[in-house]
Amino acid sequence: SAVISQKPSRDICQRGTSLTIQCQVDSQVTMMFWYRQQPGQSLTLIATANQGSEATYESGFVIDKFPISRPNLTFSTLTVSNMSPEDSSIYLCSVTRGTGETDTQYFGPGTRLTVL
Amino acid sequence: KQEVTQIPAALSVPEGENLVLNCSFTDSAIYNLQWFRQDPGKGLTSLLLIQSSQREQTSGRLNASLDKSSGRSTLYIAASQPGDSATYLCAVGSGGGNKLTFGTGTQLKVEL
Repeated sequence: SAVISQKPSRDICQRGTSLTIQCQVDSQVTMMFWYRQQPGQSLTLIATANQGSEATYESGFVIDKFPISRPNLTFSTLTVSNMSPEDSSIYLCSVTRGTGETDTQYFGPGTRLTVL
Repeated sequence: KQEVTQIPAALSVPEGENLVLNCSFTDSAIYNLQWFRQDPGKGLTSLLLIQSSQREQTSGRLNASLDKSSGRSTLYIAASQPGDSATYLCAVGSGGGNKLTFGTGTQLKVEL
């Protein structure tokens, strides 16, 4: 398994500001993933963060809006930039553990963001 | 593009009932399928993972099946308890299993 922590657990922010979310894993992993869960919706993958290289973003998500850092193998940050009320969501980071088809994804507790 | 749907969206049952949650996906070329549980204010907890070559997996009162050819998976919960109340999500793995496409979820309430 994996133990993942996120900071902050929740925040209320003003429109136009930015928030950086931190994700810490209990041991080294190659890839870390960032997901968004909008109210009443399921999870959508934002990007995959590899250590030492630029993050890979999914369709509909761009680096200017969601810059990601991955300074080492146990830590990553996601910034939500120039926020609007539509960014109100739960943001979750996850990692994969296992081998091949047995790869299991483990999730952090999430950061609940409300933008006013 | 993979699409994952879960039926029903919400379910309320009395304690002790056996129940089945359904998940369907459009692209059968999957790497694996994972069932998660999500509790309010908490992250996701992995319940079961089924590899693409497997038909089912069991853990305690939970049994998950996979039929790739028909694009379906079911999660069977035996002898449901109030503590089982949560949202259940299925997620289909592709791209070596690292990329998950999530279903819409089933919100389960087990009443005393």
